[in-house]
Amino acid sequence: GENVEQHPSTLSVQEGDSAVIKCTYSDSASNYFPWYKQELGKRPQLIIDIRSNVGEKKDQRIAVTLNKTAKHFSLHITETQPEDSAVYFCAEGPAGNKLTFGGGTRVLVKP
Amino acid sequence: DSGVTQTPKHLITATGQRVTLRCSPRSGDLSVYWYQQSLDQGLQFLIQYYNGEERAKGNILERFSAQQFPDLHSELNLSSLELGDSALYFCASSVAGAPQETQYFGPGTRLLVL
Repeated sequence: GENVEQHPSTLSVQEGDSAVIKCTYSDSASNYFPWYKQELGKRPQLIIDIRSNVGEKKDQRIAVTLNKTAKHFSLHITETQPEDSAVYFCAEGPAGNKLTFGGGTRVLVKP
Repeated sequence: DSGVTQTPKHLITATGQRVTLRCSPRSGDLSVYWYQQSLDQGLQFLIQYYNGEERAKGNILERFSAQQFPDLHSELNLSSLELGDSALYFCASSVAGAPQETQYFGPGTRLLVL
């Protein structure tokens, strides 16, 4: 069935440190893995995505890695800043022609 | 601003009532998605429409229904409301409705059922 597990549910880091969020999925047919950031009271916004034909993608301070064999992918945020504080959601598709979202990770960057 | 609009922003109603949430997709996008986000919960996919036709269905209750009109705006109808229906309802849109496309989310409608 379709299931995305996301860990940890909360993550507190010191400003400047790195943050890593991991997701595992069950559908071997999945080939698209986006990450969304949701600030408090606001809408989710895509920050980075990766497709199954690559193992890693980087955009400035954020990167995503994908291990299709193990069926897991991770979001890495380096040199964290207070504005990185938000809830981050992973997702995978196209299970049933739709995206399935993880449960979210609340990240708090302490100054 | 994603270009996706949702109305109303807030809605307070009573149990047993019926409400309609409205969404206008980004200009040029043909597909609309509806999600429910309860307090401290993730995004639960409800339903997707593409160019007026239902394309995918998630865990949408029978009390809920949706449609997409010829002008591509969409409405989510929630009936026989229960306290547990209180949540933030997001609409998102994408160009052609493929799962690998970026979904652009609207600002959401916060529903409170008393």
